[in-house]
Amino acid sequence: GAVVSQHPSRVICKSGTSVKIECRSLDFQATTMFWYRQFPKQSLMLMATSNEGSKATYEQGVEKDKFLINHASLTLSTLTVTSAHPEDSSFYICSAQTGTGDLETQYFGPGTRLLVL
Amino acid sequence: QKEVEQNSGPLSVPEGAIASLNCTYSDRVSQSFFWYRQYSGKSPELIMSIYSNGDKEDGRFTAQLNKASQYVSLLIRDSQPSDSATYLCAAFDGQNFVFGPGTRLSVLP
Repeated sequence: GAVVSQHPSRVICKSGTSVKIECRSLDFQATTMFWYRQFPKQSLMLMATSNEGSKATYEQGVEKDKFLINHASLTLSTLTVTSAHPEDSSFYICSAQTGTGDLETQYFGPGTRLLVL
Repeated sequence: QKEVEQNSGPLSVPEGAIASLNCTYSDRVSQSFFWYRQYSGKSPELIMSIYSNGDKEDGRFTAQLNKASQYVSLLIRDSQPSDSATYLCAAFDGQNFVFGPGTRLSVLP
């Protein structure tokens, strides 16, 4: 159980285009989903936290107008990188939180590798 | 600011040895703790969770929690080259997850 999928796994796009990444919890309903970015050989960096039906909470320094997050249902969150530029090239990973009380746990998707040319 | 600290490593151990990974956390409110393994180029994978003081064993992995010392550890027995990865420690306080920077483990054949 507790499987999280991401689509696409890899995307190459031209500078200036927008890219949408989907994150789905396949066998559970996620109260909260998270979006992370990771550059090579660096730590995970939390970008934003999203709850179903409400606006995402962005971490300091993350532009909400550039990284649009929509959490339309308890099993689906999307991240859209708008007007992507080469510096947005990175490994984007979502995670979904499930469980109750102290047993809440985060499960990660397999990640999406974005390359902006 | 709540913090989870880990030695970045790399921690090198010979094949067959016990690898010991350590983590400290700053927030006494944290009640749940997790170890994730992240292979190079892949996303993190949950390998252990622990909620109570003491040891929790799962196969070759043992998680240890000492809430008084705010200390969590992960022991990997009979380390294999396939255990070479970055290990992330995380703490949950009931509202927020806080991740450590990870410790890179290298198991030498």
